[in-house]
Amino acid sequence: SQQGEEDPQALSIQEGENATMNCSYKTSINNLQWYRQNSGRGLVHLILIRSNEREKHSGRLRVTLDTSKKSSSLLITASRAADTASYFCATENFLTGGSYIPTFGRGTSLIVHP
Amino acid sequence: DAGVIQSPRHEVTEMGQEVTLRCKPISGHNSLFWYRQTMMRGLELLIYFNNNVPIDDSGMPEDRFSAKMPNASFSTLKIQPSEPRDSAVYFCATSLNPGPHNEQFFGPGTRLTVL
Repeated sequence: SQQGEEDPQALSIQEGENATMNCSYKTSINNLQWYRQNSGRGLVHLILIRSNEREKHSGRLRVTLDTSKKSSSLLITASRAADTASYFCATENFLTGGSYIPTFGRGTSLIVHP
Repeated sequence: DAGVIQSPRHEVTEMGQEVTLRCKPISGHNSLFWYRQTMMRGLELLIYFNNNVPIDDSGMPEDRFSAKMPNASFSTLKIQPSEPRDSAVYFCATSLNPGPHNEQFFGPGTRLTVL
């Protein structure tokens, strides 16, 4: 089964700067999702981008998808200390029987220094 | 809705003991997933239920692990006997249905430590 690979593994920036995280995958997808995980908590869904979309915005988040390169990026603009978390991309895997399940990468650990 | 509820939040046990983790999904969600998260292996899918039926359990590491979903509002993940290498955070997540456009809602996790 395929799994998204996030890059970089860790990112440390100052408050106010932009943070960019990337996700690469191997096979064709219908959609790609980004999740955030704060320390000691479960993952929280941030945004979903479909394969026919190239860019999507949600507040300070901007997600791009390049299906020709099989990659996606998550940009957080004007970062805040509260953005400190791990960020995961999830690609779907097709199961026998017609089900799709998301498969998560290992995540990018983002630290935003105040 | 209170979201996905997991219990206990923390569990410390000794090697060889039975451990039972519990999950109450969001009402109306038809798909339920059990994950294990460790530093070494990241987030691993253990088993996935749809409409209370196990669909894919290929991620269950070995026979010591078992999961049940007796009804739409309750699921358990059992480890018997437990081993130190089972120490991890176990997450339950649910979604409306297994479609590719549905987001997953995660519970707070159970942090398991096996001594």
